[in-house]
Amino acid sequence: DSGVTQTPKHLITATGQRVTLRCSPRSGDLSVYWYQQSLDQGLQFLIQYYNGEERAKGNILERFSAQQFPDLHSELNLSSLELGDSALYFCASSPGGQGIYEQYFGPGTRLTVT
Amino acid sequence: SQQGEEDPQALSIQEGENATMNCSYKTSINNLQWYRQNSGRGLVHLILIRSNEREKHSGRLRVTLDTSKKSSSLLITASRAADTASYFCATDAWHTGGFKTIFGAGTRLFVKA
Repeated sequence: DSGVTQTPKHLITATGQRVTLRCSPRSGDLSVYWYQQSLDQGLQFLIQYYNGEERAKGNILERFSAQQFPDLHSELNLSSLELGDSALYFCASSPGGQGIYEQYFGPGTRLTVT
Repeated sequence: SQQGEEDPQALSIQEGENATMNCSYKTSINNLQWYRQNSGRGLVHLILIRSNEREKHSGRLRVTLDTSKKSSSLLITASRAADTASYFCATDAWHTGGFKTIFGAGTRLFVKA
């Protein structure tokens, strides 16, 4: 158990809908990262927050947004969902913002868009 | 595009044999990390090697880094069936948009009992 929790574990929804994925980092970790893992694209970095502020941005679509709250949990919002958004979404956390830190991954949320 | 590319894509060996996976990357990096993923589960950190280090060991794992060739290798010695998983290299570096960890496509290792 990494100490990172993600909810829900599974989500099935229809195209055009909006969903929110939630992540609680390990106790004491200030950074939260979001990744998307699909069969054809591999593990793609989406975005990182550090202590409530956006720190780095990856291949995150404009239909997707995220935030980190004062209690350091984070939410990833996915809107106008398309079939191609079906994937595993992972959250990870680390103690610091940049540099030499390993990331601790949550169990993931499996999103299926029908 | 992916920063790290693993080779081979898949590897099947017998229990007790050694497994070697390679990773190549394109730009200068600060660190390189190796992670393991059991099917459909979260990734687990294995080892981190800094750009000024050449070799690192952790139990049955040995990682090398050659920054002149922009490549790294992960050696698992005396493999066990429980080592069956996907292994990813991840590079930490500055990119457009900030300091990022970019994962490769992974090597799928299958260890036969």
